[in-house]
Amino acid sequence: DGGITQSPKYLFRKEGQNVTLSCEQNLNHDAMYWYRQDPGQGLRLIYYSQIVNDFQKGDIAEGYSVSREKKESFPLTVTSAQKNPTAFYLCASSIAAGIAGELFFGEGSRLTVL
Amino acid sequence: EDQVTQSPEALRLQEGESSSLNCSYTVSGLRGLFWYRQDPGKGPEFLFTLYSAGEEKEKERLKATLTKKESFLHITAPKPEDSATYLCAVQAGGGSNYKLTFGKGTLLTVNP
Repeated sequence: DGGITQSPKYLFRKEGQNVTLSCEQNLNHDAMYWYRQDPGQGLRLIYYSQIVNDFQKGDIAEGYSVSREKKESFPLTVTSAQKNPTAFYLCASSIAAGIAGELFFGEGSRLTVL
Repeated sequence: EDQVTQSPEALRLQEGESSSLNCSYTVSGLRGLFWYRQDPGKGPEFLFTLYSAGEEKEKERLKATLTKKESFLHITAPKPEDSATYLCAVQAGGGSNYKLTFGKGTLLTVNP
């Protein structure tokens, strides 16, 4: 079955450490996204990619980095520069960037900073 | 700035008790309005896209409607398995706008 796989599901990080969240899709979708979800807030866009080797910042990109070397993969690195990284991170894809509203989401990765 | 406000924040229903969730929005030219369902600890699941005022979409016990200022998600004779958080999002039109603005969601609980 096609879908989006995020790993790990749970991740603990010490302050000052970088961590990388994995996102893989087998839907053959061109566009991929990373969202952050915090309690009591709407989802916020971190980065998105319309095509391989291209990506753009979303609303809250500071302290994060991404790469898109393969169509299927869009990993997110949470760097030590991110001041408040504890959150639920969601990776998503859409057939094309112009259809950004019909998103397929992964199961999410919950990051906790100790 | 695009804004999405969902109400109520939480809604508790008895099984079979129909109701509606509201999504009010302000956006500079609506490209689309989207409804998602999210179960605890899971990623959201896409439900509907609405493009223009007057449009309606249905899926099982759910029906989404759209006006120029708000959207409603009507739930008819809900069952306990309809319990979830329902998210509304809008996409503004014009240019290369790939950004969605999400509301905070409505937590629906359906008791047997």
